[in-house]
Amino acid sequence: GDSVTQTEGPVTVSESESLIINCTYSATSIAYPNLFWYVRYPGEGLQLLLKVITAGQKGSSRGFEATYNKETTSFHLQKASVQESDSAVYYCALGENSNNRIFFGDGTQLVVKP
Amino acid sequence: AQTIHQWPVAEIKAVGSPLSLGCTIKGKSSPNLYWYWQATGGTLQQLFYSITVGQVESVVQLNLSASRPKDDQFILSTEKLLLSHSGFYLCAWSPPGGVNYAEQFFGPGTRLTVL
Repeated sequence: GDSVTQTEGPVTVSESESLIINCTYSATSIAYPNLFWYVRYPGEGLQLLLKVITAGQKGSSRGFEATYNKETTSFHLQKASVQESDSAVYYCALGENSNNRIFFGDGTQLVVKP
Repeated sequence: AQTIHQWPVAEIKAVGSPLSLGCTIKGKSSPNLYWYWQATGGTLQQLFYSITVGQVESVVQLNLSASRPKDDQFILSTEKLLLSHSGFYLCAWSPPGGVNYAEQFFGPGTRLTVL
């Protein structure tokens, strides 16, 4: 089926360290998957962090990057130097154009220690 | 600017009782609307979506129903709650046109506890 698997949290890193949150997807019934990272900061609603709709392309936002790799079916989220304000829950998601469906991963809680 | 409002913020209900959750979007005409559900510690799942008034597509069957009585309103309901309905319900919208890669904007959510 169609699904998303991501790093199980919580992930704890110290400020200024690098970060990678793994995400792999299965898109058996989706011809042209779109990939997303959503984020929920403490006390706030879920919001889009970045999206990539074309395989091989990279998306970036707020210092985070993710590359859509069709060969490895991956969309890992990376940041070179995290800040305490990056503490949040991050969700990888797989989208389908034809019928407005999105499949979310379980979410990864990131804790950045000062 | 567009705003999305969900009500109630939280609800505690008895098993077997009815439920109605609401969502209103202001500042956007003919949005695509969505309902999501997340059990405690579980995955965020899409339940329903609607691209126009009076039309709702079911994605996951959870003994729930949804309706879109107005362009800016989306209602989630059931006549008999189950314990398994507990969780966090999110409403979302995206611009009209049916393109899923457009950003979905989420509401603040409703926390439902079924006892």
